[in-house]
Amino acid sequence: EPEVTQTPSHQVTQMGQEVILRCVPISNHLYFYWYRQILGQKVEFLVSFYNNEISEKSEIFDDQFSVERPDGSNFTLKIRSTKLEDSAMYFCASSLGPILTQYFGPGTRLLVL
Amino acid sequence: AQSVTQLDSQVPVFEEAPVELRCNYSSSVSVYLFWYVQYPNQGLQLLLKYLSGSTLVKGINGFEAEFNKSQTSFHLRKPSVHISDTAEYFCAVSEGAQGGSEKLVFGKGTKLTVNP
Repeated sequence: EPEVTQTPSHQVTQMGQEVILRCVPISNHLYFYWYRQILGQKVEFLVSFYNNEISEKSEIFDDQFSVERPDGSNFTLKIRSTKLEDSAMYFCASSLGPILTQYFGPGTRLLVL
Repeated sequence: AQSVTQLDSQVPVFEEAPVELRCNYSSSVSVYLFWYVQYPNQGLQLLLKYLSGSTLVKGINGFEAEFNKSQTSFHLRKPSVHISDTAEYFCAVSEGAQGGSEKLVFGKGTKLTVNP
């Protein structure tokens, strides 16, 4: 069964450093998403991406964040200058279309020191 | 703005007992409703979803949920739980295209612990 994959599974970084989180969505999916879950809190939407552009973003997704689909298979989330409060589990998801099931990856646990 | 409330943060039950995990939502438009499960150290897996049609939705692992529009609820039920059902369960809502957003808005989650 096809699945969403994410790398790395864990990342530790120093405050102020740039990180890139990688995702490989399900191959025929067209909509891509990033969510995050700070420890002990709810899963929060960050951004959705369709047709090579951002279709929606949350207030969390400020200028420090960017997304890219550099090729036909990867979908990346970049945090330019990490802050302590960026420590969270980041989930990538993909779907065939709007309102259709979003399939989530296993997540990347980011720890900013 | 849409929101999801899961009233119970933790639900302990004994094996083979029935369980109900509660979910209420608020939205100004019609919504689509989902339950996801997160096993320890894993990602989110879809249990079931309501898009339209029958208000009783059956999902994987013997779970079902009932959409109640008048009570704005989408409670998750299982008649007899197993130890392996121990996990965190998230209710989520999406307003879809008519709401102008396909993002999922999640509740805080309910940690289900099944004891022997």
